[in-house]
Amino acid sequence: AQKVTQAQTEISVVEKEDVTLDCVYETRDTTYYLFWYKQPPSGELVFLIRRNSFDEQNEISGRYSWNFQKSTSSFNFTITASQVVDSAVYFCALSAGETGGFKTIFGAGTRLFVKA
Amino acid sequence: SQTIHQWPATLVQPVGSPLSLECTVEGTSNPNLYWYRQAAGRGLQLLFYSVGIGQISSEVPQNLSASRPQDRQFILSSKKLLLSDSGFYLCAWSRGQRGSGNTIYFGEGSWLTVV
Repeated sequence: AQKVTQAQTEISVVEKEDVTLDCVYETRDTTYYLFWYKQPPSGELVFLIRRNSFDEQNEISGRYSWNFQKSTSSFNFTITASQVVDSAVYFCALSAGETGGFKTIFGAGTRLFVKA
Repeated sequence: SQTIHQWPATLVQPVGSPLSLECTVEGTSNPNLYWYRQAAGRGLQLLFYSVGIGQISSEVPQNLSASRPQDRQFILSSKKLLLSDSGFYLCAWSRGQRGSGNTIYFGEGSWLTVV
C-alpha cells in the first residue's frame, strides 16, 4: 500500500524563524517520485519540487530546501527565514508504480502560519 | 507555456440541482486530466482521471460524473447535488505518459457550496 503521512497538522512560527515540514511515505515500489505543493489562501496548488527515488541529493532553491532520506522514508521541506507570504497549506505527494502517474497520493497537508 | 483554467470560480447551488464545472488546458496535447475534491480543512481526493477523449476512470463511486468531449477539455457534472458535494474542486493536468513521475499541475479551483 502507498501512503503519505504529514503528522504536523498546523505549525505557527514568527517571521524569520526557520521551519521544517515533515513528510513520511510508504511504498513497495523501487521507482517512485515525491512532490511538494503549496496551497496559498487563494486555493490553487502550486508545484514546488519533484524528486525521484534514485536521487537522494538534497536540493536548495532560495529559502527553500528539501531533505530526501530513503533510509527513513522521509522527504522533509525546510523554509529558512520564513516570511508572512509563506503562510499556506503545504502538501507532500507520492507517485509510484505503473499507474502511479494517474494516482498520485497526497498527504493531508500541513498548515503553516507565519506571524509578523 | 501550458495553462489550465477552470470555471466557475465559485457557485452556490441548491440541493437537487445540476452541476457543471469546466476545465480547459492550453499549450499541450493529449494531456492526462484529473478532477480532485478537497473538503474543508482536508486533503485531496482524486475523483476522476482521463488519458484521452472519452476515456474516464472513476476513483470514487458517488453522485458525480466526468466527461472529456475534446482533447483538452474536462467537465465535472452532477444531475442532482447533495449537501455532501460541497467542497473545493480542482482540475489538473499532467503530460500524457504512463507510469509514475508525472508532475500534476492544478487549476485555480472552484468553490462549490450546496445549500
